[in-house]
Amino acid sequence: QQQVRQSPQSLTVWEGETAILNCSYENSAFDYFPWYQQFPGEGPALLIAIRSVSDKKEDGRFTIFFNKREKKLSLHITDSQPGDSATYFCAASGDQGGSAKLIFGEGTKLTVSS
Amino acid sequence: AQTIHQWPVAEIKAVGSPLSLGCTIKGKSSPNLYWYWQATGGTLQQLFYSITVGQVESVVQLNLSASRPKDDQFILSTEKLLLSHSGFYLCAWSPQWGSYEQYFGPGTRLTVL
Repeated sequence: QQQVRQSPQSLTVWEGETAILNCSYENSAFDYFPWYQQFPGEGPALLIAIRSVSDKKEDGRFTIFFNKREKKLSLHITDSQPGDSATYFCAASGDQGGSAKLIFGEGTKLTVSS
Repeated sequence: AQTIHQWPVAEIKAVGSPLSLGCTIKGKSSPNLYWYWQATGGTLQQLFYSITVGQVESVVQLNLSASRPKDDQFILSTEKLLLSHSGFYLCAWSPQWGSYEQYFGPGTRLTVL
């Protein structure tokens, strides 16, 4: 049972375009949704995160849009740069008594062409 | 600033041989610690977590074990490696209470032959 789903599996955009990465989840108890960026051979890096009480979170060129009713969220990367080429993981977590168990999606591989 | 170190960087081991991977966190007292496994090109699967020294909870059974001998150290081990153990092992930490953010280390690449 895949609790967190991501689409598309891979995405190619031109430099300067906006990349849109999608994520959906099943468990209504999830209330924290981080996005991680991972380059080949490296550990994932926390990029941006949102709590379920918000419907939007911005950090520079990265914005999360969150729809609690539909259990969907998306990561928008504006003015995409070749250096943004990486795999992006959406994850979800709920109150686990402090253990902060994260459930990860399958990832979206983003390629930004110049 | 907190730093997380994993060792070794990479390992090539034979099926049936033992394994020990390590993780150290500096600059943060009493963190929650986690082990994850990632297949090549795949998602991240949480294996273990620990909220205090000497206490480890298993999330998924993969013929692996974990221990937390010190506040800043987390060890992943097995006595007999399987081919399916190949992959990328990641250690992560989070503040003990009040925050869900998890921060990952650089990882250890394991190849079992």
